[in-house]
Amino acid sequence: DVKVTQSSRYLVKRTGEKVFLECVQDMDHENMFWYRQDPGLGLRLIYFSYDVKMKEKGDIPEGYSVSREKKERFSLILESASTNQTSMYLCASSLDRRSNQPQHFGDGTRLSIL
Amino acid sequence: QQQVKQSPQSLIVQKGGISIINCAYENTAFDYFPWYQQFPGKGPALLIAIRPDVSEKKEGRFTISFNKSAKQFSLHIMDSQPGDSATYFCAASMFPGSGNTGKLIFGQGTTLQVKP
Repeated sequence: DVKVTQSSRYLVKRTGEKVFLECVQDMDHENMFWYRQDPGLGLRLIYFSYDVKMKEKGDIPEGYSVSREKKERFSLILESASTNQTSMYLCASSLDRRSNQPQHFGDGTRLSIL
Repeated sequence: QQQVKQSPQSLIVQKGGISIINCAYENTAFDYFPWYQQFPGKGPALLIAIRPDVSEKKEGRFTISFNKSAKQFSLHIMDSQPGDSATYFCAASMFPGSGNTGKLIFGQGTTLQVKP
């Protein structure tokens, strides 16, 4: 069974801080994704990665960056946190990009920026 | 053109009733349409998916109906149960290849409550 683990369930940070959200998957998946989930807006893709050290912008990348130094780990970085980045953040992984494999999600990190 | 529009935003159904959630899209290059189910405190999980070469797919009490000409698809939950209470997301993607990334475009979500 695929397991996607997000390092924190709840996180409270202050405006201007640099924030790191970590995600690890245990199934040797090539693809990894970061989304934010807001009521009425669904899941919006921030960044994704199809390989180590590779990243592509999603629909809402502004204010975020990512790092993928190892295949199993995908980090989301808020360079200078702002209150409008208060949200639920979800990490996902899928097998590869050659076919439409299901995305497997972690249980999310609820981030509050004060 | 990349949007997927989902309705209703929330839905209350009596136990044993039929829950229906609708989605519409514009991009005719979409060719994979999954539905995800999310329980409180959990991440979304794939529930059922369909490709546009079929008009209907059924798995247990869950059925996807697909209307290619109208660019609409819907999820039907028959004999709805309180355990079905969750948030449901439709999504769409283009098959990877020819420059397509295969990323999923999600709808806005529907919160379903099934009353006992």
